[in-house]
Amino acid sequence: EVQLLESGGDLVQPGGSLRLSCAASGFTFSSYGMSWVRQAPGKGLEWVSHVTFSGSNTYYADSVKGRFTISRDNSKNTLFLQMNSLRAEDTAVYYCAKGSGNGWYDYWGQGTLITVSS
Amino acid sequence: EIVLTQSPVTLSLSPGERATLSCRASQSISSYLAWYQQKPGQAPRLLIYDASNRATGIPARFSGSGSGTDFTLTISSLEPGDFAVYYCQQGRNWPRTFGPGTKVDIK
Repeated sequence: EVQLLESGGDLVQPGGSLRLSCAASGFTFSSYGMSWVRQAPGKGLEWVSHVTFSGSNTYYADSVKGRFTISRDNSKNTLFLQMNSLRAEDTAVYYCAKGSGNGWYDYWGQGTLITVSS
Repeated sequence: EIVLTQSPVTLSLSPGERATLSCRASQSISSYLAWYQQKPGQAPRLLIYDASNRATGIPARFSGSGSGTDFTLTISSLEPGDFAVYYCQQGRNWPRTFGPGTKVDIK
């Protein structure tokens, strides 16, 4: 059974930093690209970032480029999102999602909440 | 960036009725489109990928069609558990983008 378990969500002040983790199990983690997708309270889904299966290529939404860094440790089946210079508009539930096929996501974690507020 | 537009914003229907949801892309995305269902407090669930293929475990009452810029998700006969928000997502280009969603609620 595929499982994705996010952790690291917290309340953080504007300008602060946070690191999210996503522990994966039930599939060959090193064979799949992985993404982070977020959802602000009461809003729709926003794709944030993607890392290819090997970690060699990364992609970012313009809204987070230069502030967030996605990475992965295939030896530990774990996906990360380093979030710096956090803003109020980064407040959201952050989901990790397993990539598949032509750019879609077949499994999602339960999400972790980031609140950026003073 | 490819912009996805979904219509209607809200669809009010009764159980047993047919739901037709639309997703339009700002440029051609071939068949690189997925549909997701999201219920309150839950993560999204993949319904349809590559525009018309049902994901594992998805009932046959869900079907997808379209290519290029115009896509449709059809729920042939709504069941109580189908009242939710539905999002389309393109996988053609970076950045990946989602539509704003269509809420299917009970009439």
